[in-house]
Amino acid sequence: QKEVEQDPGPLSVPEGAIVSLNCTYSNSAFQYFMWYRQYSRKGPELLMYTYSSGNKEDGRFTAQVDKSSKYISLFIRDSQPSDSATYLCAMSPLTQGGSEKLVFGKGTKLTVNP
Amino acid sequence: NAGVTQTPKFRILKIGQSMTLQCAQDMNHNYMYWYRQDPGMGLKLIYYSVGAGITDKGEVPNGYNVSRSTTEDFPLRLELAAPSQTSVYFCASRPVGGKLFFGSGTQLSVL
Repeated sequence: QKEVEQDPGPLSVPEGAIVSLNCTYSNSAFQYFMWYRQYSRKGPELLMYTYSSGNKEDGRFTAQVDKSSKYISLFIRDSQPSDSATYLCAMSPLTQGGSEKLVFGKGTKLTVNP
Repeated sequence: NAGVTQTPKFRILKIGQSMTLQCAQDMNHNYMYWYRQDPGMGLKLIYYSVGAGITDKGEVPNGYNVSRSTTEDFPLRLELAAPSQTSVYFCASRPVGGKLFFGSGTQLSVL
C-alpha cells in the first residue's frame, strides 16, 4: 500500500459546483496535512494546512482531516473557472519544518467549466 | 522579490550528456530543495540543503549531484543523462519554520 493515495481524476464540474478532493494515507505518524494548488506549467503553491482532526475553513475552501480513518479532504464551494488546476495533498510526520519528510499525492486535475 | 528563479525553462538532452539546472532565491531562505515530478506522479525529493555548505540526499538522488556554496544558489547537476531522468524539475525554498515556495520548473527531456 502506498503511503499516500490520491485519485488523479480528471474531475470536470460546472461553475458554482461544490468540489470534493480526497486523499487516504497509511502512515499513522503523519501529523501535518497540506493542500497545494498547481496551475499548468507552474510550481505548486500552498493552499491550506492543518495538523489536527476536524475542519479548517479559508474562504471558499475547507480542509478536513479524519486521523482515525486516515482520510483528508479539500472542499471547494461555489467553484470558479479560476480554480481549474491540479490539487496535490501532502503530509508529513513532523511540523512545517520537516519538509524533508513531506510525502505528496499524485494530484487531482480539476476543471471548472463556465 | 523575484522569489525562486529556475533556469532554463525547457531543455532537451541527448543520452549521456550532462547539464546543470540553476536555482536561485532572493528571500534569504536557509532551506532549499530539488524535486522531480513525473506525469501522473507526486513530487519526489531529490536533494535538499539546510544551509550553505550542507546538502543531503532525498528519496531519489541517484544520477544527480548538488552543491550549495551560497545561501542564494542551489544548482542541480545531471551527469550522463538517461531517459529515466525525463521529468519536470522544481526547486523550492523555505525559511526556518515557514512554508515552501516553489519555482516555475524546468521541463527536461532526455532522448
